[in-house]
Amino acid sequence: NAGVTQTPKFRILKIGQSMTLQCAQDMNHNYMYWYRQDPGMGLKLIYYSVGAGITDKGEVPNGYNVSRSTTEDFPLRLELAAPSQTSVYFCASSSAGLISYEQYFGPGTRLTVT
Amino acid sequence: GENVGLHLPTLSVQEGDNSIINCAYSNSASDYFIWYKQESGKGPQFIIDIRSNMDKRQGQRVTVLLNKTVKHLSLQIAATQPGDSAVYFCAERRYQGGKLIFGQGTELSVKP
Repeated sequence: NAGVTQTPKFRILKIGQSMTLQCAQDMNHNYMYWYRQDPGMGLKLIYYSVGAGITDKGEVPNGYNVSRSTTEDFPLRLELAAPSQTSVYFCASSSAGLISYEQYFGPGTRLTVT
Repeated sequence: GENVGLHLPTLSVQEGDNSIINCAYSNSASDYFIWYKQESGKGPQFIIDIRSNMDKRQGQRVTVLLNKTVKHLSLQIAATQPGDSAVYFCAERRYQGGKLIFGQGTELSVKP
């Protein structure tokens, strides 16, 4: 299994541009999450999904959108990029949580908005 | 507001010593806690977890202690090695759906 994969690894955007961060998992997990991590800080939840077709906002959803058309994929869309969105973005997935709520993380996408 | 926080932002230990990383939480309704390790340039990796009906859980060289009376969580690493150098995050589960709230993190530095 590849686990959780994210593309791209790095990206530089100009202010006002848009882009989609891709995330895929091959563990058949129901739950998927998007976090951002600013330098020296912990992870903040942007959006999450409990299954295909179901998404909900996390702590910091403004400026982002998500969709979940399949179990495997959970793309994060940035519209009108702003410097405040410069961060490292992590996608994660977890199972239904009957035994553990462990979340499996991807390697991250480092985004710079200038 | 309620949050998960860490007492010490940085911790430096000698190789071979034991490390203790602390975490405070304020939501008594949290029922699950987890420790993650994040090496530079990588995503967080699971270390160990504990449910609120337990006080202690041991893994390989790691032990998590939960004190619900004072809402305190700690991660103990035995015989700390250079490969343990990383940022360690605690997280608590407060809501349905497996959402975790992460603390700020503690950077562990192991001196050879």
